[in-house]
Amino acid sequence: DAKTTQPPSMDCAEGRAANLPCNHSTISGNEYVYWYRQIHSQGPQYIIHGLKNNETNEMASLIITEDRKSSTLILPHATLRDTAVYYCIVRVGGGGGADGLTFGKGTHLIIQP
Amino acid sequence: KAGVTQTPRYLIKTRGQQVTLSCSPISGHRSVSWYQQTPGQGLQFLFEYFSETQRNKGNFPGRFSGRQFSNSRSEMNVSTLELGDSALYLCASSLARDRGDSNQPQHFGDGTRLSIL
Repeated sequence: DAKTTQPPSMDCAEGRAANLPCNHSTISGNEYVYWYRQIHSQGPQYIIHGLKNNETNEMASLIITEDRKSSTLILPHATLRDTAVYYCIVRVGGGGGADGLTFGKGTHLIIQP
Repeated sequence: KAGVTQTPRYLIKTRGQQVTLSCSPISGHRSVSWYQQTPGQGLQFLFEYFSETQRNKGNFPGRFSGRQFSNSRSEMNVSTLELGDSALYLCASSLARDRGDSNQPQHFGDGTRLSIL
C-alpha cells in the first residue's frame, strides 16, 4: 500500500470548512484513497473513499488531484464533535479482507468554539 | 442496522493469564479483522477471518490467536498475558470478499480496553 503524509495537527473554527490534506505521491493506479477518523475512546469511523473522481456523502467531500498524488478531505461546516484524529489510507480495494488497513499517525483536528 | 459489537468493553487481567475477546460483526458481513491500538505503536493489524478461515495475519506472536464461527462472529484469544499486551483491541467487519473488493470499507466497533496488571 502507498505511504501517506499528513500534517500532525490542525485547528479550525466551528462552523467553518475544515480542509485536511494528504499526500500520497507513490499511489498506484488501482489504489483507493480512504479516510477514517477516530474520536477519543471510540473505534475508527469510516468517512469516505474514492479512486480518482471527487466524492461526496453526508459526512464529507473528498477531492483528489488529477495526478492522484494528493487529496483533501473537506468537512463543510465543522462542529465541536468533529474534533478527532483523521487518517488518510491508500490501498488496493475496499479496505476489507487480506492484509488489513495500515494506519499512520493521522491529523489531529481540533475544532475551536 | 446495528454496528459492530465488542464485548467486554473493559477488562483487567494479570500477567500470565489468558483472555478471550468477542466481536459480533454487522449483519451480513463475513469478513472480520482484529487490530491492536497502543499509544506507542498506533493501530496495528492482527489478523482477518472470512468464512471461518484466517486469510491473513499481522506481525504478532503466536500467543495471539483467533477464530470465526459459522455466523461470522469472531473471538480473539491472548495467552500468557504480558504487560505490553495492555491495549485497545478493535474489531472491524466488512462486506469485502477479497482485497480487490473495491467498495466495501471496514466498519469498526468501539473496542475492548485490556489492562494487564
